[in-house]
Amino acid sequence: SQQGEEDPQALSIQEGENATMNCSYKTSINNLQWYRQNSGRGLVHLILIRSNEREKHSGRLRVTLDTSKKSSSLLITASRAADTASYFCATVPSGFGNEKLTFGTGTRLTIIP
Amino acid sequence: DGGITQSPKYLFRKEGQNVTLSCEQNLNHDAMYWYRQDPGQGLRLIYYSQIVNDFQKGDIAEGYSVSREKKESFPLTVTSAQKNPTAFYLCASTATSVSGTEAFFGQGTRLTVV
Repeated sequence: SQQGEEDPQALSIQEGENATMNCSYKTSINNLQWYRQNSGRGLVHLILIRSNEREKHSGRLRVTLDTSKKSSSLLITASRAADTASYFCATVPSGFGNEKLTFGTGTRLTIIP
Repeated sequence: DGGITQSPKYLFRKEGQNVTLSCEQNLNHDAMYWYRQDPGQGLRLIYYSQIVNDFQKGDIAEGYSVSREKKESFPLTVTSAQKNPTAFYLCASTATSVSGTEAFFGQGTRLTVV
């Protein structure tokens, strides 16, 4: 079964607004990552947050992690039309030497110009 | 240029035939992965390999087989036992560092059973 579940499944906002996506997972993790996928293409890594971190920023991206609730959120500020894509969270389980990388179901983000 | 190459980009297969999807990386990564993605869905893990000559089943391994004879290569065979093989297949590799594990993806192979 998939480790992560994203919410919402689809999100449409006006250009310039902020977009927030949430991810829940089931087991203890080493780190959580967010990826972006343009239609019909491979995924591109956006940001990684470790289990001992609570918040991380990268440009217009802000990620939070709450390990007590087993959840994470991705905030994209000042959205642009080029941000239209699907966004996935992925987790690596805790424990040394286990590199099983599993993905959630994704949020399809549409930015309306 | 360093990266992951999947081939072919599009593949058509007749029912009952086995087909092998290629994945090659020149990033010197130890771990490699195969995922299946159905339309509008997330990625489901088929197999992964953390080291040469070793691999583990993912969540949907039935009907698939892999090998990892070289660090650079992780081919996936879709066998006739896979009941619904039409999907988009993605290969990835990771290099674990102190800061964590970032995956690099190929551009995918779209398999259609005709």
